[in-house]
Amino acid sequence: DTGVSQDPRHKITKRGQNVTFRCDPISEHNRLYWYRQTLGQGPEFLTYFQNEAQLEKSRLLSDRFSAERPKGSFSTLEIQRTEQGDSAMYLCASRPTNSGNTIYFGEGSWLTVV
Amino acid sequence: AQSVTQLGSHVSVSEGALVLLRCNYSSSVPPYLFWYVQYPNQGLQLLLKYTTGATLVKGINGFEAEFKKSETSFHLTKPSAHMSDAAEYFCAVSSPSGGSYIPTFGRGTSLIVHP
Repeated sequence: DTGVSQDPRHKITKRGQNVTFRCDPISEHNRLYWYRQTLGQGPEFLTYFQNEAQLEKSRLLSDRFSAERPKGSFSTLEIQRTEQGDSAMYLCASRPTNSGNTIYFGEGSWLTVV
Repeated sequence: AQSVTQLGSHVSVSEGALVLLRCNYSSSVPPYLFWYVQYPNQGLQLLLKYTTGATLVKGINGFEAEFKKSETSFHLTKPSAHMSDAAEYFCAVSSPSGGSYIPTFGRGTSLIVHP
């Protein structure tokens, strides 16, 4: 059973460019979460999916951010017109519906906006 | 609403000494509580969790935590620190909100272990 996989692990982009991160959850995990983590902080919730439905979004998810999970398997997080404040690690996590509510994280995708 | 407070952004101990990392939570309903560990440039790994039942929970690598409802605490301990325990530790709380359980994390405590 492979873990949560994220790609790319590191991305350096110029301000104003668009970036996309991909997350492949653990097989048969129907819930998928995106978090953002900046240096010295804990993970902050961005959004989550149950299957293909995006059920909740935090206020941190500005209109430049969009997340999709079209077939209920992998998910993408796109950031448009990146700003330096978007520099962070973007973490994906997943869990099955009935698991005691433990979420399992991927290794994260580091974004540096220059 | 739910929240987590981790007291102390850094904790420094000597190898072999007791480790105590503090976590207090706020939740309007009985919560699930978690401790995760994060090594540099990696994701978070579950150490242990409390859902229901026994309030003293044992996890991996010799860590344990005790759920104290009256104190709204879930402190993490380990009797004897090892150099490999140096990492960032996060406490998290999860409780039902509109039918969903979305974990909220604390700001983390960096554990430093001296030889």
